[in-house]
Amino acid sequence: ETGVTQSPTHLIKTRGQQVTLRCSSQSGHNTVSWYQQALGQGPQFIFQYYREEENGRGNFPPRFSGLQFPNYSSELNVNALELDDSALYLCASSLPSSYNEQFFGPGTRLTVL
Amino acid sequence: QQQVKQSPQSLIVQKGGISIINCAYENTAFDYFPWYQQFPGKGPALLIAIRPDVSEKKEGRFTISFNKSAKQFSLHIMDSQPGDSATYFCAATNTGNQFYFGTGTSLTVIP
Repeated sequence: ETGVTQSPTHLIKTRGQQVTLRCSSQSGHNTVSWYQQALGQGPQFIFQYYREEENGRGNFPPRFSGLQFPNYSSELNVNALELDDSALYLCASSLPSSYNEQFFGPGTRLTVL
Repeated sequence: QQQVKQSPQSLIVQKGGISIINCAYENTAFDYFPWYQQFPGKGPALLIAIRPDVSEKKEGRFTISFNKSAKQFSLHIMDSQPGDSATYFCAATNTGNQFYFGTGTSLTVIP
């Protein structure tokens, strides 16, 4: 059984640029959630995708957007990067029913200079 | 606004001792409270979870105690081992998809 994978592992961007992060869900999982984890903080929910539609969104501005593909993989796009966007971005996959265990990937470390 | 408050920020325990991490919440609509364990370079992994209709749940050396009236819940790690050294996060949800995490507790178990 393949776990959740994310790419790239690390990324360095400058303020104002755009970034795309990728996530492959665990086999059999069709729901993907994205989290932002700032240094020394807990993960903060960005949004969730189910059947290629956004299924819940946290308190993040519209410049954070996502996609889910028919194979359940997902992308997180962030436009107009700000210094405060520097964080570990985590992807988690799960089965579609509420309260199912979320399986997290290792994350992408984004640094904005 | 921090929906779930977690303490302590860091904890050092001797091998064989009991590690206790506490969390508090305000939103009485929360109905599912998981604990996650995170090792360096890895994503969080579900450790144990509880619903508010029970006051305690035990899985091996890990126990969640839940106090609904006080809006508090805690993780107890019995017979703590060096391999338990990690960061622990409490979380809460009332939707099943949007989870609110605490700020984390860095646990170090000294051999």
